[in-house]
Amino acid sequence: KNEVEQSPQNLTAQEGEFITINCSYSVGISALHWLQQHPGGGIVSLFMLSSGKKKHGRLIATINIQEKHSSLHITASHPRDSAVYICAVATDSWGKLQFGAGTQVVVTP
Amino acid sequence: DTGVSQDPRHKITKRGQNVTFRCDPISEHNRLYWYRQTLGQGPEFLTYFQNEAQLEKSRLLSDRFSAERPKGSFSTLEIQRTEQGDSAMYLCASSKETGGWEKLFFGSGTQLSVL
Repeated sequence: KNEVEQSPQNLTAQEGEFITINCSYSVGISALHWLQQHPGGGIVSLFMLSSGKKKHGRLIATINIQEKHSSLHITASHPRDSAVYICAVATDSWGKLQFGAGTQVVVTP
Repeated sequence: DTGVSQDPRHKITKRGQNVTFRCDPISEHNRLYWYRQTLGQGPEFLTYFQNEAQLEKSRLLSDRFSAERPKGSFSTLEIQRTEQGDSAMYLCASSKETGGWEKLFFGSGTQLSVL
């Protein structure tokens, strides 16, 4: 059983809709990452957080340490947001991450 | 160049051949990580270096795999006697040790296909 579970696996939204991706984990963590992966492999780090909430543009990430749960929200979604969004947790070393399987997001015009 | 670069982008090889991939991290980054990603799955940690020292290796890294980071700069990942199950995207990432938060920067990966 993967120690990092994401839902949903796939998500299709219309442009402008609010999107939520969930991540649950079962281990103690030092930090949680949200990453974006575009076709061809390139991965970009969106957020690193260990408590509370962070916002960057139309993206918002929240984490509840007690419940071992994090969410990534995309407000006013746009077709350029189409990508795979991956949740990953760091348990000891900052970069030794355990990854979720990713959520494929497709935003249609 | 301000990013992590990996070479080659794609590699097709026959089963049983040896392959080597290269990763050039961001120049001031002293930590370097290798991951493997198969289709439809998230990446899996393989190994990491702090400067030239290989500090940890995953159980996924069989003895056919070897990684080096001579002089603490670029790193190579070699797979000997490749098997079809080795087909995957091999990702490299780097970070700068700060004593606190470390942001990871990823390369675009090397896609390996073993025929």
